[in-house]
Amino acid sequence: QKEVEQNSGPLSVPEGAIASLNCTYSDRGSQSFFWYRQYSGKSPELIMFIYSNGDKEDGRFTAQLNKASQYVSLLIRDSQPSDSATYLCAVNGDDYKLSFGAGTTVTVRA
Amino acid sequence: ETGVTQSPTHLIKTRGQQVTLRCSSQSGHNTVSWYQQALGQGPQFIFQYYREEENGRGNFPPRFSGLQFPNYSSELNVNALELDDSALYLCASSPPGDPAGEQYFGPGTRLTVT
Repeated sequence: QKEVEQNSGPLSVPEGAIASLNCTYSDRGSQSFFWYRQYSGKSPELIMFIYSNGDKEDGRFTAQLNKASQYVSLLIRDSQPSDSATYLCAVNGDDYKLSFGAGTTVTVRA
Repeated sequence: ETGVTQSPTHLIKTRGQQVTLRCSSQSGHNTVSWYQQALGQGPQFIFQYYREEENGRGNFPPRFSGLQFPNYSSELNVNALELDDSALYLCASSPPGDPAGEQYFGPGTRLTVT
């Protein structure tokens, strides 16, 4: 069973600032790593995935992976009030079964 | 919108009853996974179906069962409902041959057991 831990929230950041979200995982065999955004009362929405060490950028989002440290992070630059949501980290191995963390709730203050 | 649909949106059942939830996968996706998300927690993997066969199961009792049909749509059945089964049930579909294993979620079914 893969264990996935996320930094406890809630995380409150001012508009325009960088929000930094962290995630660690226990299974060294994990191969793919995902960040989902979930608005209250809605289902998770895939915003980033990464499977190689290093950084991956998509617009205002950057995912960072360090397999040696079993650590994955998400940076949200120029945070907007619409970024206020719960962010879920998920990992999988050589199958399609995702293990999720409990999520970090982000609030962007206008 | 991911193209994954689920029905019904909301459901209220009584303890001991049975329930069937339905999911239509995104066009071209042949793998469907089901998750249970309790309030304030991350989704928990229930099971996955690939080509109409169960392809792995999480830590859920046998009263949670499923089916996948030739058109890749799927059902989740829960027997003998318990109060703790109250949760958001999520269906996710995956494209064939995708090494990254991306999964795209439907809107979910909110089940309340009283």
